[in-house]
Amino acid sequence: KAGVTQTPRYLIKTRGQQVTLSCSPISGHRSVSWYQQTPGQGLQFLFEYFSETQRNKGNFPGRFSGRQFSNSRSEMNVSTLELGDSALYLCASSLVGVTGSSYEQYFGPGTRLTVT
Amino acid sequence: AQTVTQSQPEMSVQEAETVTLSCTYDTSESDYYLFWYKQPPSRQMILVIRQEAYKQQNATENRFSVNFQKAAKSFSLKISDSQLGDAAMYFCAYRSVYNFGNEKLTFGTGTRLTIIP
Repeated sequence: KAGVTQTPRYLIKTRGQQVTLSCSPISGHRSVSWYQQTPGQGLQFLFEYFSETQRNKGNFPGRFSGRQFSNSRSEMNVSTLELGDSALYLCASSLVGVTGSSYEQYFGPGTRLTVT
Repeated sequence: AQTVTQSQPEMSVQEAETVTLSCTYDTSESDYYLFWYKQPPSRQMILVIRQEAYKQQNATENRFSVNFQKAAKSFSLKISDSQLGDAAMYFCAYRSVYNFGNEKLTFGTGTRLTIIP
């Protein structure tokens, strides 16, 4: 079974632009979570989607948004990029059980975003 | 809100020796999951081991085992017979079991493990 894939792997953008990152979960996984990883702040939870609905959101400004499609693929968008948005963005998928929660998350390789 | 603390930014161990990475957490919840994830340089994060708080027995996965002390809110990872491939950043993470769909992982700051040949 293929793992979590993220595209693109590397991205360079200019301050003020917007960017869209894509995540394809493991087949059968309906939950997709996004994390931002920076040297200063570490790993921080952005949001989680399940069945095209955002179920949980971290403490990030509204410039960070996401969505999930009917095939469980997810995208996250960052508008009006700032230098501080430079980070590794990780996507993780999980198999959600009947209780609505999962056991573990599987991570993709990440998209490294550089804002200049 | 839950917090996870890893007080050892860096650790090193001789190949074939044993090393223990520390993690403490703070929560008011009685049931939760704890995880150790490994992130090798320029490679993706993979799950090393998991522990359910309601289980008293410490989890073990081959050379990896945990020492889970619920009352002390401590969750350390022991790596036996260290191998060069174990070199990585290790993250301790917490996940609540409450609230429908609470997939959020709260991570510690990580411990960089170096294996000395």
